[in-house]
Amino acid sequence: ETGVTQSPTHLIKTRGQQVTLRCSSQSGHNTVSWYQQALGQGPQFIFQYYREEENGRGNFPPRFSGLQFPNYSSELNVNALELDDSALYLCASSRDSYTGELFFGEGSRLTVL
Amino acid sequence: GESVGLHLPTLSVQEGDNSIINCAYSNSASDYFIWYKQESGKGPQFIIDIRSNMDKRQGQRVTVLLNKTVKHLSLQIAATQPGDSAVYFCAENLGVSGSEKLVFGKGTKLTVNP
Repeated sequence: ETGVTQSPTHLIKTRGQQVTLRCSSQSGHNTVSWYQQALGQGPQFIFQYYREEENGRGNFPPRFSGLQFPNYSSELNVNALELDDSALYLCASSRDSYTGELFFGEGSRLTVL
Repeated sequence: GESVGLHLPTLSVQEGDNSIINCAYSNSASDYFIWYKQESGKGPQFIIDIRSNMDKRQGQRVTVLLNKTVKHLSLQIAATQPGDSAVYFCAENLGVSGSEKLVFGKGTKLTVNP
């Protein structure tokens, strides 16, 4: 086990709705990254938070937003859901932003109808 | 778009054989590469990483080779076991320091036959 927990594990939304996904990072880790993984594809980087500040962002529109809290847990918010947002959303924590050794949770499977 | 790609989408080996998974990258400025393993229904798991000032790095039963001249890296797994069956991803950091912009390839599915 990686010590990274995500909730909910599965959820179904309709187009246009909003969703919030949550992640608890491993103890002692101050960096959280979020990825989107479509079926049969590699994870795509959404953004990273380091000590509550956004530290890097991938090619995702502004309706994807995030937060990191003082305890280093994190949220991913997606507004105005589209069908293509259906995917597995992975959260990963790391001890800092310099290492590529990320500890991934098992993901939140989002289905948009 | 993605700059990291894999040569073969699937690889089938016999238990006990060595496995080699290849990966090509296109950004010559990339200086940090990581290999991940993803089992069905789980998140990716870190295997090994390598920075561009090295051309080889070894871990437990795994070796990563980096050829900067042809922008290619490979993951070698010795004495492959059934538990090694998974999808393997190489990832490249396009950020400044470490992990702030990892780009993953599409993955190679490794099947180990008993």
